[in-house]
Amino acid sequence: EVQLVESGGGLVQPGGSLRLSCAASGFTFSSYSMNWVRQAPGKGLEWVSYISSSSSTIYYADSVKGRFTISRDNAKNSLYLQMNSLRAEDTAVYYCARVVPAATYNWFDPWGQGTLVTVSS
Amino acid sequence: SYVLTQPPSVSVAPGQTARITCGGNNIGSKSVHWYQQKPGQAPVLVVYDDSDRPSGIPERFSGSNSGNTATLTISRVEAGDEADYYCQVWDSSSDHFLFGGGTKLTVL
Repeated sequence: EVQLVESGGGLVQPGGSLRLSCAASGFTFSSYSMNWVRQAPGKGLEWVSYISSSSSTIYYADSVKGRFTISRDNAKNSLYLQMNSLRAEDTAVYYCARVVPAATYNWFDPWGQGTLVTVSS
Repeated sequence: SYVLTQPPSVSVAPGQTARITCGGNNIGSKSVHWYQQKPGQAPVLVVYDDSDRPSGIPERFSGSNSGNTATLTISRVEAGDEADYYCQVWDSSSDHFLFGGGTKLTVL
């Protein structure tokens, strides 16, 4: 079964940092591009960042560029999101999602269950 | 920048047909994907590449895309279809993935 499991969320003060992880299983992780997508409470989905299978191509939403860093470890089947200079507006559930088909810019399937990040003093 | 526009809400009686639109400039030239999200759950892909269905998604879910509007159609709507629905595209001009604002489907 293809599965994505996020972890690392929690409460952090404005200006603080947090590192999210996404553990992948049930597929050849190193062959697929991955993304982070977030959803603020009561709001819609917002794409955050993309990383290609080899980490050679990385994109960020304008709202997080310069503050967030996406990375992956194919040997550990893991995806990461380092979040620095956090703001209240970064409060959201963060999902990791696989891009399908491999090596394309298409649809997301599956999604993890999400991890909640709360930025508050 | 490219924008996807969805109606905030759509209401339909059980057994009827629901149509959820996703508007964008010449969206017919892009591949559109649709997700269903129920409260407290992660999004689930229901239509990809405008009109294809993943395995396990009922045939009642279909999609189309032409001109400036993509449409997700849900036939014979059931109470269990009540959810938020989001369209999504890849915008090559900005190297960004984009989501529509979401549509809440209410089954009356």
